[in-house]
Amino acid sequence: ILNVEQSPQSLHVQEGDSTNFTCSFPSSNFYALHWYRWETAKSPEALFVMTLNGDEKKKGRISATLNTKEGYSYLYIKGSQPEDSATYLCASQGGSEKLVFGKGMKLTVNP
Amino acid sequence: DAGVIQSPRHEVTEMGQEVTLRCKPISGHNSLFWYRQTMMRGLELLIYFNNNVPIDDSGMPEDRFSAKMPNASFSTLKIQPSEPRDSAVYFCASSPGQGATYEQYFGPGTRLTVT
Repeated sequence: ILNVEQSPQSLHVQEGDSTNFTCSFPSSNFYALHWYRWETAKSPEALFVMTLNGDEKKKGRISATLNTKEGYSYLYIKGSQPEDSATYLCASQGGSEKLVFGKGMKLTVNP
Repeated sequence: DAGVIQSPRHEVTEMGQEVTLRCKPISGHNSLFWYRQTMMRGLELLIYFNNNVPIDDSGMPEDRFSAKMPNASFSTLKIQPSEPRDSAVYFCASSPGQGATYEQYFGPGTRLTVT
């Protein structure tokens, strides 16, 4: 994998549903994996920065896991709420500060 | 702290004109990043600075684009001459330092329209 890829590209769920999305990134020269949350008409805000294989981080109802050997990360939202509607971006960091972003996953939670 | 400040928030200009976008990073942050957001390509890094020095400008599309950081509290991204394909949202972000896994703090962006 040469680029950072996210799937699905968009997701519509009902309030209360749990969701998960995938980020695939190059496993070679890996330094860190970042997750950002981007609400419409706002700017991206950091959710997690993960570095170690097997890392799991949690913030409220949102959690993420990391597999550096196979080059993927999962983002989970438990019991989605309308305020979770946003675009979720992941970004891979190699040996420098440069982040390579995926194109994002747009989540819409219907009340 | 007010966060990362960008100006202007919106810019509409005619093809061929010079455009200057401005950014004030969070005080104390040592790294500054310029990104461009388009529907086709997503969020792309154009250039980043550490301690006011350009570190990686490989994302700058062509010679029409230039960026400077004359001091720790100010950076500019200039497009001269501008073209319609430069229309995009340009974000500036800053982070506390180099060589570690710091999150980046994004400004509100400048929406540029070149007609």
